[in-house]
Amino acid sequence: AQTVTQSQPEMSVQEAETVTLSCTYDTSESDYYLFWYKQPPSRQMILVIRQEAYKQQNATENRFSVNFQKAAKSFSLKISDSQLGDAAMYFCAYSRDTGTASKLTFGTGTRLQVTL
Amino acid sequence: NAGVTQTPKFRILKIGQSMTLQCAQDMNHNYMYWYRQDPGMGLKLIYYSVGAGITDKGEVPNGYNVSRSTTEDFPLRLELAAPSQTSVYFCASSYSGDTPFGQPQHFGDGTRLSIL
Repeated sequence: AQTVTQSQPEMSVQEAETVTLSCTYDTSESDYYLFWYKQPPSRQMILVIRQEAYKQQNATENRFSVNFQKAAKSFSLKISDSQLGDAAMYFCAYSRDTGTASKLTFGTGTRLQVTL
Repeated sequence: NAGVTQTPKFRILKIGQSMTLQCAQDMNHNYMYWYRQDPGMGLKLIYYSVGAGITDKGEVPNGYNVSRSTTEDFPLRLELAAPSQTSVYFCASSYSGDTPFGQPQHFGDGTRLSIL
């Protein structure tokens, strides 16, 4: 079974600084997708960024970028120029090709605090 | 666009009662999902559907039932509620596309359910 591990229950970053959230996963598949979702106090799950395993180039979305190391099965999220609105729970998730719907496996999350 | 709408937002049930959590999406997505999120944990898949009339079990289906009579609606039924079902429930939907497992999921705001 696939597992997703987020080893940092909590992280803190000062406003305008950079922070990296870690995620590792276990799979025997060669084709899969990885996602980072953000869950602010409002509880809604919001997609931050996604990465296809076959693509070597790391995905970026504005201030958010990933460091995807396929051989190491590592998928970290870097947030640059952190803002107060970035404070949230961040979940790493994995999806493999089952021939049908995207069934996500989530990690346990990292709570990010942003301080002034 | 409303996206994914869940009702109710909060509910308290007594042990042994039944209820239906409603979920509707207006994005014409074929795929829909139900997850539960226990405190300090990531989301776990309960059931999913790839289209009207087609449903299948996820990781934690015991104690739940689903149906999908239309593309838009995907209700989750709890029969004989138990304290172990106290959780936050999320409904999500996604587009099928060429790579279904790579499509981002769009989430509702969740239903917080307490069973006492």
